[in-house]
Amino acid sequence: KAGVTQTPRYLIKTRGQQVTLSCSPISGHRSVSWYQQTPGQGLQFLFEYFSETQRNKGNFPGRFSGRQFSNSRSEMNVSTLELGDSALYLCASSSGQGARDTEAFFGQGTRLTVV
Amino acid sequence: AQSVAQPEDQVNVAEGNPLTVKCTYSVSGNPYLFWYVQYPNRGLQFLLKYITGDNLVKGSYGFEAEFNKSQTSFHLKKPSALVSDSALYFCAVGTSGGYNKLIFGAGTRLAVHP
Repeated sequence: KAGVTQTPRYLIKTRGQQVTLSCSPISGHRSVSWYQQTPGQGLQFLFEYFSETQRNKGNFPGRFSGRQFSNSRSEMNVSTLELGDSALYLCASSSGQGARDTEAFFGQGTRLTVV
Repeated sequence: AQSVAQPEDQVNVAEGNPLTVKCTYSVSGNPYLFWYVQYPNRGLQFLLKYITGDNLVKGSYGFEAEFNKSQTSFHLKKPSALVSDSALYFCAVGTSGGYNKLIFGAGTRLAVHP
């Protein structure tokens, strides 16, 4: 069974640009969550999608958005990039509806560098 | 608000010795607790979880964790450390309400020396 696939693995963007990251969850998993990992703030929850609906959102500005398609693949978009958006963005997929039901499986992440 | 604390930035252990990585939590309601490990330039790998039942949870790669409700702790342990265990370890708590949101601790870097 294939794991969680994130593309691209590495990305360099300029301030002010926008970026789209992609995540393909494990087959059959309907939940996709996104996290931002930085040395200063650690791992922070961005949002979760379940069956194409955003169920939960972290404390991030509106420049961060996402969506989920009918095949459960998800994309996150960051507009008007700032230097502080440089981070490892991790996607996690889960088969259950909540943390009680199943563990999250993480992709290898997309390393975004904003210059 | 739910939170997780990992009081040690780094833990140093000699190979073959037992290791403990500490985690305390604060939640309202029943806690769903997890341990993940991260190797350089990789995503997080699931080690084990506590949902309910036995306080001692066994997981992958010989790791186990002890849930202590009175001390609100969920320490990760291994009887005999390997150099290959050197990595970044994260404790996390799952939120109630039927969502898959995880709240992570700051992480503890484990260094196992030969």
